[in-house]
Amino acid sequence: DSGVTQTPKHLITATGQRVTLRCSPRSGDLSVYWYQQSLDQGLQFLIQYYNGEERAKGNILERFSAQQFPDLHSELNLSSLELGDSALYFCASSVRTSGSEQFFGPGTRLTVL
Amino acid sequence: GDSVTQMEGPVTLSEEAFLTINCTYTATGYPSLFWYVQYPGEGLQLLLKATKADDKGSNKGFEATYRKETTSFHLEKGSVQVSDSAVYFCALGNQAGTALIFGKGTTLSVSS
Repeated sequence: DSGVTQTPKHLITATGQRVTLRCSPRSGDLSVYWYQQSLDQGLQFLIQYYNGEERAKGNILERFSAQQFPDLHSELNLSSLELGDSALYFCASSVRTSGSEQFFGPGTRLTVL
Repeated sequence: GDSVTQMEGPVTLSEEAFLTINCTYTATGYPSLFWYVQYPGEGLQLLLKATKADDKGSNKGFEATYRKETTSFHLEKGSVQVSDSAVYFCALGNQAGTALIFGKGTTLSVSS
């Protein structure tokens, strides 16, 4: 158990809908990262937050957004969902903003029908 | 940009066989290198890491050495077990030290 929690574990929804994925980092970790794992693209970095502020952006679509709250949990919002958004979404956390180990949560499997 | 290339799988071995999973990288500077493992239905777990050239990371019988001259970080284990069956990902820390850049993953299947 990494100490990173993600909810829900599974999410099934329809095209055009909007969903929210939630992540709670390990106790004491200030950085939260979001990754997408799909069969065709592999594991891709989406976005990073550190202590409530956005720090780095990867291949995140404009339909997707994230935030980190004062209690350090983070939410990833996915809107106008398409079939291709079906994937496993991982959250990871680390102590510092860069250079430290990232600990991964169990992931949320999103299926868009 | 930075990238990681690892050998395609699946790799199928018998118990107690020797394991090598090749990983090479392209990056500017001197990134940190990692191996993560993903067991079925679970998230990624850090297996080992190395932060500078010639460093050897090791954990649970697995080893990998940071080779700057060949830009490689191959994963090895002398004697695999059925419980090692999983997907193994090689990764590097990007130049800013924020995101991890992953290889495509190598599936290892060990039979008794």
